[in-house]
Amino acid sequence: NAGVTQTPKFQVLKTGQSMTLQCAQDMNHEYMSWYRQDPGMGLRLIHYSVGAGITDQGEVPNGYNVSRSTTEDFPLRLLSAAPSQTSVYFCASSSRDRAPYGYTFGSGTRLTVV
Amino acid sequence: DAKTTQPTSMDCAEGRAANLPCNHSTISGNEYVYWYRQIHSQGPQYIIHGLKNNETNEMASLIITEDRKSSTLILPHATLRDTAVYYCIVSPDGIYTGKLIFGQGTTLQVKP
Repeated sequence: NAGVTQTPKFQVLKTGQSMTLQCAQDMNHEYMSWYRQDPGMGLRLIHYSVGAGITDQGEVPNGYNVSRSTTEDFPLRLLSAAPSQTSVYFCASSSRDRAPYGYTFGSGTRLTVV
Repeated sequence: DAKTTQPTSMDCAEGRAANLPCNHSTISGNEYVYWYRQIHSQGPQYIIHGLKNNETNEMASLIITEDRKSSTLILPHATLRDTAVYYCIVSPDGIYTGKLIFGQGTTLQVKP
C-alpha cells in the first residue's frame, strides 16, 4: 500500500512549455485534489474530483487542466508554464467510507519555471 | 464558507502541553473542524477532526466550545518533532467533499 504517489519529485520547465504532473493512489479513494504551495504560504486548492469522470475548479484553477478517467489517477496538466507557477504541488486523496479519515497527501512535486 | 483565525506563531517547551487555538465564529451546523499539520516541506498530515463533541486520538485532543465558534488542539506532551505548521480547517460541505480549503496556519516551535 503506497498511499499517494506523485511524480516527478522535481522538475524545471522553461516558460511556455507544457507538462503533466502525475498523481496515483492505491487506496480506492473517490476524492482527489491538487494543491499548490508557494514559499511561506498555505496550500491553495487548484482542482478537485469527487469520482472518476467528475472534476471541479478550486481556488486557483487558471493555467491548469485535470481529468479523472480512473479512480486511481488524477493528473494535473500545465498548459503553458509561467514563472508564476513555480511552486510545490501536492496531490491528496480521501474517502467517505474508508480509513484513514481525512486526506492523505503525497510528498509533493517541486516545480521551477524559468 | 466558514473562515478560521489562528495565531501566526506559538512557542512551546518540550514535554509541555501545546494548546493551539482556532476561531471559527461563522461555522454552520453541518461543518466539521479539521486539524492538519505540515512538517517542514512535507505533505500535510491529518491529525484529528470533530463536529461538536471533544475528540481524542493517539496524536492529539480536540476541544470544541459549546457554541462551536472556537476550538483548541492539544498536543499533550510536545516533542521537538511536533515543530510544524498547524492548520485549522472548517470543511465547507461536510467531511468528504474534495474541497479542503487551507488558511495560513500556526507555526508551532517546540523548544528544548
